[in-house]
This record gives sequence, structure tokens and C-alpha cells, in this order.
Amino acid sequence: EAGVAQSPRYKIIEKRQSVAFWCNPISGHATLYWYQQILGQGPKLLIQFQNNGVVDDSQLPKDRFSAERLKGVDSTLKIQPAKLEDSAVYLCASSFGLSGEGQPQHFGDGTRLSIL
Amino acid sequence: RKEVEQDPGPFNVPEGATVAFNCTYSNSASQSFFWYRQDCRKEPKLLMSVYSSGNEDGRFTAQLNRASQYISLLIRDSKLSDSATYLCVVENFNKFYFGSGTKLNVKP
Repeated sequence: EAGVAQSPRYKIIEKRQSVAFWCNPISGHATLYWYQQILGQGPKLLIQFQNNGVVDDSQLPKDRFSAERLKGVDSTLKIQPAKLEDSAVYLCASSFGLSGEGQPQHFGDGTRLSIL
Repeated sequence: RKEVEQDPGPFNVPEGATVAFNCTYSNSASQSFFWYRQDCRKEPKLLMSVYSSGNEDGRFTAQLNRASQYISLLIRDSKLSDSATYLCVVENFNKFYFGSGTKLNVKP
């Protein structure tokens, strides 16, 4: 079974520039998550999709971050304009989507973003 | 109060030692529980799910205590390759809450 695919693996940009990340979840997984992980911390949820609908985006800084999952499969996360504090690893994860049935999340390799 | 709390460590143990981590969670309605392992500069990978009756996978044993709202991970006969950060994850209505991780260093 193919895992969660993310690209790019690394990105270096200057502050105030824009950047986009792409994620393709495991086939058949209805739920897709974007996380931000800062060094030394656990992943922090940015946005959660169920199919193509947003379930939770309460921690997404909406003035600069946006995400979409138009066809309910792959997803993009965009930052515009980037700030220094956005330097982090951006992880995409997917799960089958049935709550309480012990279905875990599976993660992609992540995108390591550095803001200069 | 954080949803999930873990001791950040580090736990420094010699090879062959037994080591245990605990993790507490705040929402008594939480439904599923997991331990993930994260190596330096890598993504989290599922180590094991935690079942109500407790479960074992080789050298790893996970326990759930709903009354006290904590889960535990026991590693027996530690190997150098067990060195990593162990993330406690709690699921509630398809939302996953992560602890900040416990760092384990296994030394020769």
C-alpha cells in the first residue's frame, strides 16, 4: 500500500514570500490532516478535512494560511506571506476516518520549511 | 490544561534496561489511544495502538487506565535502535491530540 505522499521535502524562502505544499493521502482515506511541528514540540493541527469539507481549522492562521481539498483526495496548504515563525516541518496525515474504531493516522515524510 | 501531557525526558538508559513512559489525557470521553515513535528529522510512525485490556508487541507493552486517564508504554531489553521520541496520541471523534513527546536515549 502506498503511503502518504508529500512534496516538496525541503523549501527555503525569504520572509514575505509565498509557498505551497502538496499532499496525497493513502487511497481510500477520507480524513486528511495538516500539522505544523516546531522542533522539540508535538505536531499541532492546522486543519482537518473529511472528504472535501473542513472539519476543524480553529488553529489555522487564516490571515496567511489557506488549504484546500477540492476533490476530496489530494490537498494543498499555502502560506502567504511567510513569517520567520513559520519555519517548521509541515506534516500531512490521513486516516480511514471512522471515529473511535482505533484507526490510526499515517504520516507523510513532511516538508521542512526554512524562512530566511 | 493540555489535552495530552508527557514527561519530555530525556530518559537515558543503558542497553538491556527496562524503561516506562506515562502519558495523561484530560478528556474522559477519549476513544482511541496510540503510541507513535519519531526519529530525529523524520515523520511520526505508528508504534502501537493501545487497547483497553492492554497489549504487547514483542518488547513493547502498552496499558490503558481509563479511571486515572493515563496510558503507559513499557520497553523491555532496550536496544540502541529504540532511541527516539515517543509521542502519546489520543483520539476523540476523529481528532487526534498529541503529547509533546518523551525522548529516550539508549546508551551502550
